[in-house]
Formats: sequence, C-alpha cells, structure tokens
Amino acid sequence: QQQVKQSPQSLIVQKGGIPIINCAYENTAFDYFPWYQQFPGKGPALLIAIRPDVSEKKEGRFTISFNKSAKQFSLHIMDSQPGDSATYFCAAAGGTSYGKLTFGQGTILTVHP
Amino acid sequence: NAGVMQNPRHLVRRRGQEARLRCSPMKGHSHVYWYRQLPEEGLKFMVYLQKENIIDESGMPKERFSAEFPKEGPSILRIQQVVRGDSAAYFCASSPLGTSRGEQFFGPGTRLTVL
Repeated sequence: QQQVKQSPQSLIVQKGGIPIINCAYENTAFDYFPWYQQFPGKGPALLIAIRPDVSEKKEGRFTISFNKSAKQFSLHIMDSQPGDSATYFCAAAGGTSYGKLTFGQGTILTVHP
Repeated sequence: NAGVMQNPRHLVRRRGQEARLRCSPMKGHSHVYWYRQLPEEGLKFMVYLQKENIIDESGMPKERFSAEFPKEGPSILRIQQVVRGDSAAYFCASSPLGTSRGEQFFGPGTRLTVL
C-alpha cells in the first residue's frame, strides 16, 4: 500500500516534444506529490510538487496533472530540450509516513536534438 | 547559501570494514532524511532524524546500520561490517523546521563501493 508505481521506465522524444510520465499510488493518506529530476552522479533536485486540493499545477515548462479519484498523477514537460535529458522520479508523502518520501522507480528521459 | 553537503562523495571499503557517511543540512534546516539508491533503482527511505532524535527508522536494516544527528555537527550514517550488497548511493536530504511536509532538498550523495 505504500508503493508508488511509475511508468514508463524510459522515454525518448525529439526536441520540442511533450514527454509525459505517469505515477499511481495506493495509499489514500498521501497528500503531497513532488517530482524530482536527477542527472547522472548528482542528487535529486525538486522540480515541482502538488497537493490533492488542485488538479493541475504549472511551473515554467513543467506541469503536474492530478486525478484524486484515480489515484494518479503525471508530469508533462512542454517544449522539451536536450538539457531535460535526465531521470525523473515521482514521490508521495503523508499520513503515517510523515516526513518520509516514497519514490517511484524512475523514468529515464532522452530528448534528441 | 550552501546546499546540503555530504562527504565523502566516494567511499571504498572492503568487506567487514565500517563506513561512516556525513551529512550537513542546509542552514536553518533541522530535519534530516537518509535514502539509499541501488543501481538502476529509485530511492528508498532509510531514516528520518531531528536534532538528537530519531523520528522514523522504519526503512533502516535492523542490523549493522545506525544513524545519528547530534546537537552539534553533521548527521552520521554508520554501516558496520559492510557487505557487497551495501554498495549503493546514499543520499541525505534536509528540510526546514515548520516547512510544508515533504519539501526535502537533497545533497549530492555518497557513493559507497564495497570490495
């Protein structure tokens, strides 16, 4: 019940495309859903986060869509660039897991020039 | 405004030795979290600490692993009698007191290799 399932495992798009990464969770007590970006050899960096009281949040080229009834959320990257090539992780926190982030398995994104 | 600092960045140990990983949180942050990342996998929670207290250690292996966050100085993750399966990247994250739950900022990690 604590799992967060992320798909796809890898994704290749052309520059300017809109990659979409999906996550699903089981624990209805989760109330905080961040996305992290990780480059090789670096630590994860917080990109954008959403809470269940909104269905969409946009920051720059990154948008989170949230579907509370389906227990799913997704990351969209508009006008993707080669510099966006990285591994993206969704995560969730809340309920009895206060302070603890439960991560998805990660998506390796490659944006071709 | 320095971010989360971890050292060493790379650590090589032989089986049976001890590994000590250090984490200095961002200035003003009093909550520290440790995560482990195995190759090609996501991050797994290990332990959540506040100054001088362990809040949640549900992800910590019962044996050989311990963590502390003393009143003064960095947080330490200690692995005794390391085995090859301990080889991984260990990340520390911190958050400020009173922040929205979950806003954690990660350090660059310590990559542990056990020979």
